[in-house]
Amino acid sequence: QVQLLESGPGLVKPSETLSLTCAVSGDSINNYYWSWIRQPPGKGLEWIGYIYYTGSTNYSPSLKSRVTFSVDTLENQFSLKLTSVTAADSGVYFCARHTFGDPLRVWGQGTLVTVSS
Amino acid sequence: DVQMTQSPSTLSASVGDRVTITCRASQTISGWLAWYQQKPGKAPTLLIYKASTLESGVPSRFSGSGFGTEFTLTISSLQPDDSATYYCQQYNVYPRTFGLGTKVEIK
Repeated sequence: QVQLLESGPGLVKPSETLSLTCAVSGDSINNYYWSWIRQPPGKGLEWIGYIYYTGSTNYSPSLKSRVTFSVDTLENQFSLKLTSVTAADSGVYFCARHTFGDPLRVWGQGTLVTVSS
Repeated sequence: DVQMTQSPSTLSASVGDRVTITCRASQTISGWLAWYQQKPGKAPTLLIYKASTLESGVPSRFSGSGFGTEFTLTISSLQPDDSATYYCQQYNVYPRTFGLGTKVEIK
């Protein structure tokens, strides 16, 4: 059974870069799309974008200028970098697996990131 | 972006009640709509996809309907375990967008 596990610093300073990794176990990262979703405290879900195992990406226009995804097929993991963070970037960050025409069927447990000096 | 509008934002109902949540899309999304359930401190879980297809393992008291721009999630007989926030999401176009959620409370 596939499992996703997000990891990264829980605290990031304003204006710095937020870096997270999602480790995939129980299945290959190949042949799937991998999305990042975030949820500010007490608020709803926001889709950040996806990366395909080949490295092709699709970012939400609202974050496109600050976000970069990468994939490591050998390590079976993928990563997110978000630059110039502010307090508005605080929240729980989830990774999820899907195919091109499918919803987000498998989710990680999420990791809380706080942006604060 | 496709805007997803959910209503109500919160609802309180008794065990055994029939509960309906509505989701409206700002443009047609055909049947490419999913419903998720999220409990506090947990990741969302997929309940329904393609507007009306029940995900494997989801109790049959959950059902979905709709096409185009109007969709509903129905819980036929509310159970204590259904206390959660429910989100709709369109996956017809990118960026994929979510509704703001409906919090379901048990009276």
